Amino acid sequence: AQSVSQHNHHVILSEAASLELGCNYSYGGTVNLFWYVQYPGQHLQLLLKYFSGDPLVKGIKGFEAEFIKSKFSFNLRKPSVQWSDTAEYFCAVKPGGSYIPTFGRGTSLIVHP
Amino acid sequence: SQTIHQWPATLVQPVGSPLSLECTVEGTSNPNLYWYRQAAGRGLQLLFYSVGIGQISSEVPQNLSASRPQDRQFILSSKKLLLSDSGFYLCAWSVSTSGTEAFFGQGTRLTVV
Repeated sequence: AQSVSQHNHHVILSEAASLELGCNYSYGGTVNLFWYVQYPGQHLQLLLKYFSGDPLVKGIKGFEAEFIKSKFSFNLRKPSVQWSDTAEYFCAVKPGGSYIPTFGRGTSLIVHP
Repeated sequence: SQTIHQWPATLVQPVGSPLSLECTVEGTSNPNLYWYRQAAGRGLQLLFYSVGIGQISSEVPQNLSASRPQDRQFILSSKKLLLSDSGFYLCAWSVSTSGTEAFFGQGTRLTVV
């Protein structure tokens, strides 16, 4: 079965700092990749997704992620974070043809104003 | 547009009591349905998923069961709650074809006392 590793469990940044959250997965075949965000008190919502094509994916709120197949990675980036980016971020992987996304443990991001 | 409703939002139940959490989806037909449990620092654990009425797959053996009595209704149940059942439960749905993301409900915070 596939697994997803998010290496940073807690990240604390100041506003305007750059962000990169790591995500690695273990699955050798075709995958669909996702980043979800959960703002305090809110439900999980999709930040961005990769199915095929350009490995650099742009999402909402200035986030982007790059799929590097050779490294089995799908890292999330934002050049300049804001206080409102404080949230928990989850990486998810779904093998092509599967109905079931597997989630990482999540990364808690705190941005200080 | 599609919406997902999950209730109740919070629930406090004594040990040994039964449980019934309900989730309904509107605006789509034949969705894939999921129950996840979210624990702090442990990400989202898939409990059950369903690809059709009466079709339930269990990912983790435990004190819970799921049912899908109607196309867009997914119920999480227990006959006798344990303290370890406390947690945050999330319902989600996705389009029945495999290459799509999951959409999450608001979640239910269950505390077993």
